This record gives sequence, structure tokens and C-alpha cells, in this order.
Amino acid sequence: AQTVTQSQPEMSVQEAETVTLSCTYDTSESDYYLFWYKQPPSRQMILVIRQEAYKQQNATENRFSVNFQKAAKSFSLKISDSQLGDAAMYFCAYMGQGAQKLVFGQGTRLTINP
Amino acid sequence: GAGVSQSPRYKVAKRGQDVALRCDPISGHVSLFWYQQALGQGPEFLTYFQNEAQLDKSGLPSDRFFAERPEGSVSTLKIQRTQQEDSAVYLCASSLGLGWGTDTQYFGPGTRLTVL
Repeated sequence: AQTVTQSQPEMSVQEAETVTLSCTYDTSESDYYLFWYKQPPSRQMILVIRQEAYKQQNATENRFSVNFQKAAKSFSLKISDSQLGDAAMYFCAYMGQGAQKLVFGQGTRLTINP
Repeated sequence: GAGVSQSPRYKVAKRGQDVALRCDPISGHVSLFWYQQALGQGPEFLTYFQNEAQLDKSGLPSDRFFAERPEGSVSTLKIQRTQQEDSAVYLCASSLGLGWGTDTQYFGPGTRLTVL
């Protein structure tokens, strides 16, 4: 079974600075999708960014970008110019080949210091 | 338009009671998912519907858990004879059903179930 590991339970960063959240995963599949989801205190999860394993180019969405290292099975999220509204739980998630369900990591709580 | 809604938002049950949790997906969304999120953990998949068909129920932890979506819209997750270990936030998500990976799952706010 696929597993997703987020080794940083908590992270903090100063407003306007850059922070990187780590994620590793275990799979024997060759094609899959990876996601980062944000869960603010209200609990409604929001998709931040997705990456298909076959695409070598790292995905970018405005201030959010990923560093996808397929061989190392690593998928980190970089948030540039951190804003107070970025404070939330961040979950890394995996979707296997042909599957519909998401497999989530344990999450990283991100705090933004003003 | 409106997002995914869930009701009730909070539910307290005595051990042994039956509970029913409701999910209203985004209108027109074909796919519907239920996840269970224990305190301090990431969500874990329970079950998946495409329209009214339950295509995957591999995550349901026991036969006390039952989900249905009879008309391909609203879904209900029922837990019979609740146990303390059932205490969690139950998240519902829906998606257009466009295809693998490119589909975005939109989550509801969840129902927090506390079993005393």
C-alpha cells in the first residue's frame, strides 16, 4: 500500500519570507498524482497544487511551487512571500494509477509570524 | 455556486447509538467521497461513489459503517452502534468526475462526531 509521510508536524515562518514543507511517499507505481491541500482552522480543505509524476516540470501556482524528485520519492512545497492567510494545516496527498481516492500524510501545521 | 455542505456540523452520541451524517455535494458533481479524520491526523478514505454506484468501500472500518447515495446526489454515512473509536471528523468531498488525477476534490466543512 502507498504511504505518505510528512516529517514536520509544525513549521513557522516570518511573514514575507519563504518556507518549505517536506513530503515523502512510498509507491511501486510509475504514474500517479501528488497534491498539496491546505486546511485552515475552519476545516474546509482546499487544493493548493497538483503534480503528475510523468511531468518533469515542477508545478507552480502563484506563490506556491513544488520540488518533485521522483527518484527520491520526495514532493516538497515551497511558499514564497508568506502571508498571514497561509497559516493552516498542510497535507500532502497521493493518488495512485487509475485510482480516485486520496492517501494523505499526517499534516504539517504552518504558523506565520507577523 | 454553493460548495459542499454537511450536516450536522457537530454530533454527540452515546456509545451504542446509531448516527446518520449527511453530505450535499456541489450540484452536478458525479463523484462523491467520504473520509475520516481523527484528531491530529490526515484524512483517511472511507468510500467513493460515482453517481449512485458505490465503486469503492474498501476504507470502511467495519460493517457498522454504511454509506448510500440513492439518487446520485445527496449521500448519507450511517454508523450503527457507535463506539468511542468512531470519534472523528467525517469529511465529504465531491468532484466533477472528469477523469483520473485531473479532477479536483472539493471538501465540505466536516461533521465532528464525539462518542461518549
